[in-house]
Amino acid sequence: QKEVEQDPGPLSVPEGAIVSLNCTYSNSAFQYFMWYRQYSRKGPELLMYTYSSGNKEDGRFTAQVDKSSKYISLFIRDSQPSDSATYLCAMSAGFQKLVFGTGTRLLVSP
Amino acid sequence: GAGVSQSPRYKVAKRGQDVALRCDPISGHVSLFWYQQALGQGPEFLTYFQNEAQLDKSGLPSDRFFAERPEGSVSTLKIQRTQQEDSAVYLCASSRGANTLDEQFFGPGTRLTVL
Repeated sequence: QKEVEQDPGPLSVPEGAIVSLNCTYSNSAFQYFMWYRQYSRKGPELLMYTYSSGNKEDGRFTAQVDKSSKYISLFIRDSQPSDSATYLCAMSAGFQKLVFGTGTRLLVSP
Repeated sequence: GAGVSQSPRYKVAKRGQDVALRCDPISGHVSLFWYQQALGQGPEFLTYFQNEAQLDKSGLPSDRFFAERPEGSVSTLKIQRTQQEDSAVYLCASSRGANTLDEQFFGPGTRLTVL
């Protein structure tokens, strides 16, 4: 079993929809939680970064962490076609190396 | 400003050949990481440098994989006697400091295909 589980999708939504992306993890040592976006043929780019349970909001994006359930989420409001990409959750136990999920492919149709 | 660059962007190798992949991190970045991303998967950690010191190589899959960063800037990932299972995108990332909170900036990757 992988340390970080993420549904690979694809997840198809119409423009303007609210998108919910999720990851579960098994390693209690994970303290830092990140969401990356990766466009085709590009490297991942950081979207959100949290290190405590609760919500963190940045524009149309909200990251949520529930350490007791070992569950993290990313919500995208008013989704746009330009949001179509693969979304990767990543976690760290504080030793620099990141452990990534499989990535969820999101398709937002106009 | 320039981001992380990697070369070549694409590499095709015959099974058994040696390959060398180059990473130019953002200037002044202390930390450098290599990840391997197989098709349809997330990146998997290979190794980590702080300046020229290789502090973690726990993710290197075999002794055919070797990485170096001799002057604390440019890094090279070398794969000897390539196998088909080595086919993947190899991503390099750099961060400003040595703190976990420092954002890792990724390059576009080198796509390696082993025939």
